[in-house]
Amino acid sequence: GESVGLHLPTLSVQEGDNSIINCAYSNSASDYFIWYKQESGKGPQFIIDIRSNMDKRQGQRVTVLLNKTVKHLSLQIAATQPGDSAVYFCAERATDSWGKFQFGAGTQVVVTP
Amino acid sequence: IAGITQAPTSQILAAGRRMTLRCTQDMRHNAMYWYRQDLGLGLRLIHYSNTAGTTGKGEVPDGYSVSRANTDDFPLTLASAVPSQTSVYFCASSRGTGELFFGEGSRLTVL
Repeated sequence: GESVGLHLPTLSVQEGDNSIINCAYSNSASDYFIWYKQESGKGPQFIIDIRSNMDKRQGQRVTVLLNKTVKHLSLQIAATQPGDSAVYFCAERATDSWGKFQFGAGTQVVVTP
Repeated sequence: IAGITQAPTSQILAAGRRMTLRCTQDMRHNAMYWYRQDLGLGLRLIHYSNTAGTTGKGEVPDGYSVSRANTDDFPLTLASAVPSQTSVYFCASSRGTGELFFGEGSRLTVL
């Protein structure tokens, strides 16, 4: 019979456009958030982080927005490039959990020419 | 290049066999972690170590054990592998409460 696998949400973006990837978190005690990028067959790579005393932080071509009221985190990638094709996932950590992060399942970003 | 080295990269293992995944870091980070990654479930913490000589259980510790004899090494052992332990395993480290640095992963298939 046919097997059914789990699939990640996919965001298809045209090269040069901006990408927005969203993440909802559940723990209101979380005070530190990170976005990671994972290319196929590789380990996750740090992109950008933000602490709960901020609502916006910018890096090179990336911006992270944090809305604590609705427990929502987003990653914006400006002028998306083919090299941005990867799985992106957010991680949250609560104040009392020290170094233990909770990770989202991830979003697959596909950049089309 | 500083970072985390995991071995083996990939392994096929018969059920019931014992397996140790190796992890070494050269960044002198005090904390180390083992995660497993399964499609649709994200990274889940198996075990962690805040400093050499101490370890703790994560979200999915059953069937796994770790040791932290020194700062650099954090091996993960499957005492008797089962098919549900088929996964990609990532070792990570951090300096204190900062971001996690990950290795390239060990893909394990248990038949």
